[in-house]
Amino acid sequence: DAKTTQPNSMESNEEEPVHLPCNHSTISGTDYIHWYRQLPSQGPEYVIHGLTSNVNNRMASLAIAEDRKSSTLILHRATLRDAAVYYCILRGSMDSNYQLIWGAGTKLIIKP
Amino acid sequence: DSGVTQTPKHLITATGQRVTLRCSPRSGDLSVYWYQQSLDQGLQFLIQYYNGEERAKGNILERFSAQQFPDLHSELNLSSLELGDSALYFCASSVGGGQFTDTQYFGPGTRLTVL
Repeated sequence: DAKTTQPNSMESNEEEPVHLPCNHSTISGTDYIHWYRQLPSQGPEYVIHGLTSNVNNRMASLAIAEDRKSSTLILHRATLRDAAVYYCILRGSMDSNYQLIWGAGTKLIIKP
Repeated sequence: DSGVTQTPKHLITATGQRVTLRCSPRSGDLSVYWYQQSLDQGLQFLIQYYNGEERAKGNILERFSAQQFPDLHSELNLSSLELGDSALYFCASSVGGGQFTDTQYFGPGTRLTVL
């Protein structure tokens, strides 16, 4: 079965870039990679998603390895408000029964 | 506010009992997802319904069941409750049926405590 693997936690200084890795070596060709984050005492919220090419939006960037077996979520200038648990997710197609695989999440700690 | 509502906010019950959690999706969303989050753990995907039918299944126990009604709200039924079922249960909704780019919008969650 497909799975995603993330570090338990990471620390970063405020105003510096953060690179959050995710390993998904069993990804299938049609699986999309999604990232969500969960702020303390809240439900998760969408961050970004991609298939093969790198993606940018106002919140973050997503860098996807050429073989698609790993990806990295990039926060360009982390602020204290970015302290959260970040989840890497695989979303499958009808071919894989629309499987939805959530990683265990990385707790991002931002130091002022 | 995501537009997804969940009731009740808190629920306290005893082992062996049965409870029902309710979720109303965002206006226009056809899919509802259910997740379980035990204390200090990640999210476990339980099940997804799309327009009234089961679309995807995760690690849902046989003691748990869900359904989506014609008005698109959903209920998660938990029976023969055990202490280990104590958790935060999230509902999420999305526009489509699980297409690759569907964004899920999460509700505030229902905290279930089994004593």
